[in-house]
Amino acid sequence: ELKVEQNPLFLSMQEGKNYTIYCNYSTTSDRLYWYRQDPGKSLESLFVLLSNGAVKQEGRLMASLDTKARLSTLHITAAVHDLSATYFCAGPLEYGNKLVFGAGTILRVKS
Amino acid sequence: SQTIHQWPATLVQPVGSPLSLECTVEGTSNPNLYWYRQAAGRGLQLLFYSVGIGQISSEVPQNLSASRPQDRQFILSSKKLLLSDSGFYLCAWDWGGGSQYFGPGTRLLVL
Repeated sequence: ELKVEQNPLFLSMQEGKNYTIYCNYSTTSDRLYWYRQDPGKSLESLFVLLSNGAVKQEGRLMASLDTKARLSTLHITAAVHDLSATYFCAGPLEYGNKLVFGAGTILRVKS
Repeated sequence: SQTIHQWPATLVQPVGSPLSLECTVEGTSNPNLYWYRQAAGRGLQLLFYSVGIGQISSEVPQNLSASRPQDRQFILSSKKLLLSDSGFYLCAWDWGGGSQYFGPGTRLLVL
């Protein structure tokens, strides 16, 4: 059974600071997905990481995938208030298209 | 471009009443379709997924059922709601192997 573990589950940070959210998963998958959810809203796809060593960046967010370590990271650079949201990572089950989601990391950026 | 719709957006129902939530996708054909539930402050739980018309896989034994009467329509139903059915219901689609795209969600409160 695939397990996807995120940490931290809650992150409060000051504007302008850097931080990293970690996502560990238990299968040999070479794909990993990151989503963002604003309060009361649906999930928005952020990054799709499709191979070992994949790195994707958009604005102040950068995601990477290390399939050997079964680890993905979401790095936040110089945080701004608009980044406050819940971030989920998700990994596919080894067979088929189903995704297993981590518990989510609630990010609060304080000004 | 593809869009995904869900309705209703919010619903308040008494315990024991029936339920029907609808999800439709536009701009694509033969998508994989998914129903998730998100309890307050929690992660996502996959309820059902479908790879084609009339093909439904249930992930968790529960009080709910799903149907796919048309290629781009996915329906979540219950004959008698329980208090524990309250939550945020999200429909998603993909083509397999890539990211899933989520609808706006239906917030259900069972009283």
